[in-house]
Amino acid sequence: DTGVSQDPRHKITKRGQNVTFRCDPISEHNRLYWYRQTLGQGPEFLTYFQNEAQLEKSRLLSDRFSAERPKGSFSTLEIQRTEQGDSAMYLCASSPGLAGNEQYFGPGTRLTVT
Amino acid sequence: AQSVAQPEDQVNVAEGNPLTVKCTYSVSGNPYLFWYVQYPNRGLQFLLKYITGDNLVKGSYGFEAEFNKSQTSFHLKKPSALVSDSALYFCAVRDDSGTYKYIFGTGTRLKVLA
Repeated sequence: DTGVSQDPRHKITKRGQNVTFRCDPISEHNRLYWYRQTLGQGPEFLTYFQNEAQLEKSRLLSDRFSAERPKGSFSTLEIQRTEQGDSAMYLCASSPGLAGNEQYFGPGTRLTVT
Repeated sequence: AQSVAQPEDQVNVAEGNPLTVKCTYSVSGNPYLFWYVQYPNRGLQFLLKYITGDNLVKGSYGFEAEFNKSQTSFHLKKPSALVSDSALYFCAVRDDSGTYKYIFGTGTRLKVLA
């Protein structure tokens, strides 16, 4: 068990460019979550998957954001036409399938949009 | 709608003294409550959870938390603080309505003074 990994750890991009982040969850975990965290705030829910199905998506998430988990293993989060307001830490977490289980977080991808 | 409040941005406590970090919540059904800790440049780590059963739950590193249904609170406690406990603490909640969406508080920075 190597934990949740995220790639890249840091990304600097120019406004208007597209970016894609990858998350590899703990292998036996069937739930995968994406969060966004800005300075001084807690993680803000973006979306979650159960296996390959995307079950819920935040209403705060614009249509520039899309996430996939095609084979129920790793997941990608894409942001199109990035804006400076997208600058944040993007966190991925995974969890086993039982109702009360805690989440295991990756180290995050820090996005800076210039 | 679910919500979590951490009323204190920062808590200062002397080493060896007891500490309390406050959390109150609002959910429509029964709550599942969690505490996570975030050290600098590291991902969030799970500390403890309340799902059902005893109102006092014990977790990692000597931390415990008390679930109070009437006050809708889940305060984090430790009998004797260590300097190494200094970190950012987040409370999180979800309800048992069938969604697996978690809501996090804004975090409380704990500073333990030697």
